[in-house]
This record gives sequence, structure tokens and C-alpha cells, in this order.
Amino acid sequence: QKEVEQNSGPLSVPEGAIASLNCTYSDRGSQSFFWYRQYSGKSPELIMSIYSNGDKEDGRFTAQLNKASQYVSLLIRDSQPSDSATYLCAVRSGFGNEKLTFGTGTRLTIIP
Amino acid sequence: DTGVSQNPRHKITKRGQNVTFRCDPISEHNRLYWYRQTLGQGPEFLTYFQNEAQLEKSRLLSDRFSAERPKGSFSTLEIQRTEQGDSAMYLCASSRTGSMDSPLHFGNGTRLTVT
Repeated sequence: QKEVEQNSGPLSVPEGAIASLNCTYSDRGSQSFFWYRQYSGKSPELIMSIYSNGDKEDGRFTAQLNKASQYVSLLIRDSQPSDSATYLCAVRSGFGNEKLTFGTGTRLTIIP
Repeated sequence: DTGVSQNPRHKITKRGQNVTFRCDPISEHNRLYWYRQTLGQGPEFLTYFQNEAQLEKSRLLSDRFSAERPKGSFSTLEIQRTEQGDSAMYLCASSRTGSMDSPLHFGNGTRLTVT
């Protein structure tokens, strides 16, 4: 079992709709969770982080965390063509383990 | 606020040659990370430093790979006797210390092609 799992996609969503990206992780002790966006040929850029169960909203983006189910998701409202990218889920396991472990990413395409 | 800087942006080398990459982190960040990414995969952890101390190195990392951060500022990643399988994007990232909240900020990467 991979430490961080994501559906590789591609996921196609019409412009203006809600895009839903999902991620599961295996280490129950994981403490913090990050979503990165990566455009083709570019480096990952941080979108959001979440540490507590529940929802966290930032503009059009909402991160959701359920530690009991070991599940984290990212919702993108009012999807725009510029949101077309690969979305990477990353997990930091805990104190003393500072690295981020990444999933393989989900490729999202917004259809105009 | 200057971001993480990596040099060179691209490197083409022949199999068996040695290569060295440089990373300059964000100035107030004392943690520095190296990752490797191949097409269709997420970044794979290689190693990380806190100041000049190398605190963790991936068990999957060949002994042909070595990284240094001698003065706790910039870092170098050297690959000896390169192989075609080393072709990848090498990403450097930095972060602040002391908080689980600290995200990693990535540089633009060095794309290595081994022919």
C-alpha cells in the first residue's frame, strides 16, 4: 500500500463547476496535510494546508480533512481553465519526521 | 522575498559522468530538502537538512548520491557515475523550522538528462 494515494485521473470538469480531488494516507499518526498545484514543466506551488478535522476555506478552494477515515480532499469551486494542472497531496507524518510524502498527483482538466 | 533558487535549470550529461546541482533556499529558512520527480509521479524524497546537519536520507537513495550544506545556507547535490535512470527533475525546497505547519517552498528545479 502506498503511503499517500491519489486517483491519477485525468479528471475533466466543465468550467464553472466544482472539482473534487481526493487523497488517502496510510500513516494514522500523520499530523499535517498540504495541497500543491503543479503546471506542466513547473515546480509544485502550495495551495492550502490543513491540520485539524473539518473544512478550511481559502477563496475558491476548500480543503477537507477526516483523520478517522485517513482522508483529505480539495474542492475547487467555480473552476476556471487556469485551474487545469496536476494537484499533489502531501502528508507530514509527525514530530521528528519533517519531510513531506507526496502522492502521484491527480491531473485536472477544466473544459471551457 | 526571493524564492528558492536552483542552478542549473537544465543539465545534459553522458552516462558515467558526475554532475552537481546547487540550491539557494529562502534566506530565513533553515530546513532544506531535495526531491526527485519523474514524469507522471509525485516528488520523491531524497534527503533533508536542518542548518548544516543532514537529518534524513532516503533508504532508496543510491550511494552515488551525496548532498552537502556546509554553512547552513546553500546546498549541493552531487550524482556520481550517472545512469540513464537518474534522468529526472531534481527539486529543492526550503521551510522554516519549529512548526508542523511549515509548508515546503520549491525552487524551479534542475532537469537532468543522462544520455
